[in-house]
Formats: sequence, structure tokens, C-alpha cells
Amino acid sequence: DAGITQSPRYKITETGRQVTLMCHQTWSHSYMFWYQQDLGHGLRLIYYSAAADITDKGEVPDGYVVSRSKTENFPLTLESATRSQTSVYFCASSSGDLDTQYFGPGTRLTVL
Amino acid sequence: QKEVEQNSGPLSVPEGAIASLNCTYSDRVSQSFFWYRQYSGKSPELIMSIYSNGDKEDGRFTAQLNKASQYVSLLIRDSQPSDSATYLCAVTFPNTGGFKTIFGAGTRLFVKA
Repeated sequence: DAGITQSPRYKITETGRQVTLMCHQTWSHSYMFWYQQDLGHGLRLIYYSAAADITDKGEVPDGYVVSRSKTENFPLTLESATRSQTSVYFCASSSGDLDTQYFGPGTRLTVL
Repeated sequence: QKEVEQNSGPLSVPEGAIASLNCTYSDRVSQSFFWYRQYSGKSPELIMSIYSNGDKEDGRFTAQLNKASQYVSLLIRDSQPSDSATYLCAVTFPNTGGFKTIFGAGTRLFVKA
């Protein structure tokens, strides 16, 4: 299917475990983004990527790792999950840094 | 510190009324402005984008941009219960080597039938 997809949609894990959230887009967009959204808060940028092999930190990068070996994929890894990382994670993509961002359906992560 | 400010609401309007959502931002050289709608438990989706001063209309939605006063607004005419959602304002700011988009915290809108 065309568009942007995220997997898994729901994940429960334990403190200290490594977790990887996947994001895939079929538009060949240059830019991809990871956001965290907590109840009552807006979208906080974790990491973004301007192209394959180019990534940069956002507002809240600590505890997260990203990679972008292919244009269409942008996985987000929590190296050692903490309870404070319980949140909804959205991936987004855009054709340029001034352009509309298109969001995936989100992953709801619970860290016990 | 680049900032995008929105009234968190909730904003409550009766069905058929005009809903007015406002957003202010901190940098005069911002280039692109967006309104996204987010239903509870769903991802944000684009409602309107605006790049130049003035009004831009799309159906029941009108975006208004005033760069001199650093605000952007969204008007929803003939509001419907299905418009009940959180509306996120997003603004692009100059950043090292390009631009960065910052989202406001959103305004919750309730349209009463």
C-alpha cells in the first residue's frame, strides 16, 4: 500500500529492554521524522533525517537511536527502555523541510 | 528558542457557528504555516497550508496569515460535530542548513450538536 506505515501499532515491553519501532514510506520523500506525543502535550521531535545516511537530533533525543540506510525506512530504537518513554510515537515524512508532513498511524508503547 | 503558542482550550462552539483558532509564533522569518487536525487516538492530518500573507480558503476552512503580527489563524465555518478534534498549528523556522518545523501543543475544539 502507498503511504507511510508504522509497526508495531502497539507494544508492551519491560524496563531495560531494547525496542525498535519501524517506519516505512513509499513516496520516496527525502525527509523523515520521529515524534513523541504524550497526553496533553504537542508533538516533540526526537530525531529527523534529511536523506539516507543523514540524521540529526530533535528536542528529545536522549535514550533513542535512529538509522536511515534506505530512503524508505527510518527505524527508531530505544536502547534501554524506561517508564518515562511510555508514549505514542509518530513517524512522518515530507518531500522538503518547508513542506507538509504526512504522518503514520502511530505506535503506542507501554514500558512496564 | 523558537516557539509556537496556541490556546489549549477547550473551545466549545454550537453546531453551525464559526470556530476561530489562533496561533502565534516567535520568528518573523518563518516561511511555512500549517494547520493539522488530530482526532483522539489518531494521527495528525493536514487541513491547510499557507505561505503568504492574507487569507486562503478551502471549503469551510479559511487560514489567515499575518507575518507582521506573527500570527496565523484557522476559521471553521458552519462547524459540525465531526469537526470536534485537536487542531495543531505548525510553523517552519530557519535552522542550520535549512528549516525546522515546530508544532504547537494544540487547541481542543468541541462542536455541540
